[in-house]
Amino acid sequence: EAQVTQNPRYLITVTGKKLTVTCSQNMNHEYMSWYRQDPGLGLRQIYYSMNVEVTDKGDVPEGYKVSRKEKRNFPLILESPSPNQTSLYFCASSFAGGGQGGFEQFFGPGTRLTVL
Amino acid sequence: GQQVMQIPQYQHVQEGEDFTTYCNSSTTLSNIQWYKQRPGGHPVFLIQLVKSGEVKKQKRLTFQFGEAKKNSSLHITATQTTDVGTYFCAGSWGKFQFGAGTQVVVTP
Repeated sequence: EAQVTQNPRYLITVTGKKLTVTCSQNMNHEYMSWYRQDPGLGLRQIYYSMNVEVTDKGDVPEGYKVSRKEKRNFPLILESPSPNQTSLYFCASSFAGGGQGGFEQFFGPGTRLTVL
Repeated sequence: GQQVMQIPQYQHVQEGEDFTTYCNSSTTLSNIQWYKQRPGGHPVFLIQLVKSGEVKKQKRLTFQFGEAKKNSSLHITATQTTDVGTYFCAGSWGKFQFGAGTQVVVTP
C-alpha cells in the first residue's frame, strides 16, 4: 500500500530534550516536506527536500533541522524543543515539480507534539 | 508573511445548501491545489488547476482558477454531512504555500 508513515504519532516532552520525528514514504517520491499545523494558521512549511541531499527552508524553519540521506526518509529534528513548538506536524511527499508544486502531495497521519 | 489567503475562515452550512470558499494570492500562481482534511485526519488531495480560467468538477464540487491566476474558488452544491472538514488551497509560484483553510460545519 502506497503510504507516508510518521513516528511517533503522539509525543509529550520537556523543554530542551532533543527529539526526532521520523517520516518514511514507499512511493519513490523525490519531494518531501514537513509542515506544522496550528489553529487559524493552516499548514506552514518548515523544510522541504527536492531530492537526496537537497534540503531547503520553508516559511518557519527556526528551531528545526532535517536531513535527507535516503530517498524514502526525511526525519525532522528538534535539537532543543520549546513550548512554542507544540503543534501538529505533518510529513508529505510527492513527485518533484517546478516551484515545489505541480504534483499531488501525500500526507502522513500526523504527529501531535506537546513540549512542556 | 501569508501570501495565500482563504475566506471565509469558518462556514456553517445547512445540509442541502450550497456554499463557496475563496482563495486569493498576491502573486500570480503557476498552479493551485485543493486539499480536504476531515476532523482528526490528514490533508487529502482533491484537485490541481493549472490553466487560466480553468474549471474542473468532481461530482458536487466545482473548482475554478481565475483568469489572472491569482485566485481560485471551490463551490459545493447540495452540501452533505460528508462534506464536513477543512478545505485548504495551496499555491505555487516558485514557492509553495497553503492557505489557512476554511473550516466547514454542516448542520443536518
